[in-house]
Amino acid sequence: QVQLQESGPGLVKPSQTLSLSCTVTGGSISSGSYFWTWIRQPAGKGLEWIGRIYTSGSTNYNPSLKSRLTISLDTSNNHFSLKLSSVTAADTAVYYCAREHGSASYYKVDSWGRGTLVTVS
Amino acid sequence: DIQMTQSPSSLSASVGDRVTITCRASQSIGNNLNWYQHKPGTAPVLLIYTASTLESGVPSRFSGGGSGTDFSLTISSLQPADFATYSCQQSYSTPRTFGQGTKVEI
Repeated sequence: QVQLQESGPGLVKPSQTLSLSCTVTGGSISSGSYFWTWIRQPAGKGLEWIGRIYTSGSTNYNPSLKSRLTISLDTSNNHFSLKLSSVTAADTAVYYCAREHGSASYYKVDSWGRGTLVTVS
Repeated sequence: DIQMTQSPSSLSASVGDRVTITCRASQSIGNNLNWYQHKPGTAPVLLIYTASTLESGVPSRFSGGGSGTDFSLTISSLQPADFATYSCQQSYSTPRTFGQGTKVEI
């Protein structure tokens, strides 16, 4: 069973770059029909999809964040990463990494990390 | 972007109650609708995908229905472990979007 674990600083200063990593165990990030995904949830609000990277390395980003966002794969260490530049207080949230499984008939986020709180202050 | 609207935003219920949560999409999404359960400090859990397919390992008291723009999640007999927040998500297009969540409280 695949497991995901987020890691990175819990506090980032305004205007700096938020950097998080997601370590994947129990499966390879470079095989299968999987999109490695970042999702966040600000306090008191709903979940917001940030973006994803396919096993091939192609990416899809939320247009609202695209100009500040980079998601990348590190296949040698079996992890993927998020970089969000020029952060403000509005980027304060619990950040989740997750795996979206795609097929001909469905797309579903079937594995999630426990989430990590990042505060911009 | 496709907007997802859930109702209610919160509800109070008792163990054994039947609970239904609804989710509406701003445009037709076919059956490309997933439901998740999440609790603070834990990994969210996929309950239902393609509107009505129960994810492996999820108890059968959970069921989903609907297509097009209107969807529902039903818990047939609420159990103590079910007090949580439930979110719908469309998987029809990117960016993926979620409902605002429904908190089920005792």
